[in-house]
Amino acid sequence: LAKTTQPISMDSYEGQEVNITCSHNNIATNDYITWYQQFPSQGPRFIIQGYKTKVTNEVASLFIPADRKSSTLSLPRVSLSDTAVYYCLPMNRDDKIIFGKGTRLHILP
Amino acid sequence: GAGVSQSPSNKVTEKGKDVELRCDPISGHTALYWYRQSLGQGLEFLIYFQGNSAPDKSGLPSDRFSAERTGGSVSTLTIQRTQQEDSAVYLCASSLVQGTGGNYGYTFGSGTRLTVV
Repeated sequence: LAKTTQPISMDSYEGQEVNITCSHNNIATNDYITWYQQFPSQGPRFIIQGYKTKVTNEVASLFIPADRKSSTLSLPRVSLSDTAVYYCLPMNRDDKIIFGKGTRLHILP
Repeated sequence: GAGVSQSPSNKVTEKGKDVELRCDPISGHTALYWYRQSLGQGLEFLIYFQGNSAPDKSGLPSDRFSAERTGGSVSTLTIQRTQQEDSAVYLCASSLVQGTGGNYGYTFGSGTRLTVV
């Protein structure tokens, strides 16, 4: 199972773009990079997933370089409601996923 | 159902009693996972089901913990002789394992908050 490293916490202001970078040096060939968001008292929620290059959906963008040893979650124009814990997870169909401690993002007014 | 349903949402029990936590996954999802999250901590993997079998029970913290899944659907996590350190939110997730093309996303329920007093 690939080990991940991401910042423990980040602060930003409303309206800013937030980028959270995760390193996963020993990612497996069949792993997809997946990000989850967790609000207090709720289960984690799937945000975005990608294999390489760039993926964008209505919530976020995910940038993955060619070597796939890191990934960056980009949240455009954050609001107070984006305050949450964000988890970076290499995933494949054969392994359970192990959650790290995630990045605690705090959006300030 | 439309999402993963867990019951009860809250459970307070006395130390030494047994508890059963239920998870109803999304219809058709073959994989089911149990996690535990203590206050302010990350998610701790407990057990994984593929269909009715549990190929990975490595996360169960002690033999007081057991889980089963019947009919490839509903799962029950049982904790016997509960201890105060068992107090946590117990989260269930299910996924539709696909052959190719990605999207191995899990859908989580809202969890059961267990308090052992």
